[in-house]
Amino acid sequence: SQTIHQWPATLVQPVGSPLSLECTVEGTSNPNLYWYRQAAGRGLQLLFYSVGIGQISSEVPQNLSASRPQDRQFILSSKKLLLSDSGFYLCAWSAGYSNTGELFFGEGSRLTVL
Amino acid sequence: AQSVTQLGSHVSVSEGALVLLRCNYSSSVPPYLFWYVQYPNQGLQLLLKYTSAATLVKGINGFEAEFKKSETSFHLTKPSAHMSDAAEYFCAVSGGTGANSKLTFGKGITLSVRP
Repeated sequence: SQTIHQWPATLVQPVGSPLSLECTVEGTSNPNLYWYRQAAGRGLQLLFYSVGIGQISSEVPQNLSASRPQDRQFILSSKKLLLSDSGFYLCAWSAGYSNTGELFFGEGSRLTVL
Repeated sequence: AQSVTQLGSHVSVSEGALVLLRCNYSSSVPPYLFWYVQYPNQGLQLLLKYTSAATLVKGINGFEAEFKKSETSFHLTKPSAHMSDAAEYFCAVSGGTGANSKLTFGKGITLSVRP
């Protein structure tokens, strides 16, 4: 069966520090991968998605970047965090062959920038 | 392009009462529709999905939803609320293949259950 893991689960970082959140998927090949952010009261915001290694699409301009160094690995990064980067970050995957777009989510990473 | 409207941000029901969470969608192609549930500090979990088969879809935890094309709706219901149903619920739509297969989420509704 397929599983998705992301870490760390909780992170408290000072303003201006770097960020790295990692997500890995197991049990499937060539998944589509996604990073979402939930800020309080603002629903789900799609940040990045990837259909293959090295292929990243950004949905919104921001202080964050994403990379996909391996087929089932997706990393969210920042060189210098802002207060507004605080939130709950969710990694998700969908089958590359899927025509429904059904998403499977990780457990989430809570980032607090102080 | 697709969009989802979830009216209101918070619904409160008594334990044992009917749960009704509304979702209306807009899609230029035949849609696929989803309901996800999120418990505090957890990821989203699929409750149920409509993928152009039966219009009445049954999901986990006693929830069901009915696809009504004429009303562009996909409302989520449960006959009798349980305390454990307290969570945030998201409706989502996708359509077609390729880029159109990405899900578009509503803003979510928080369900509270009163004892």
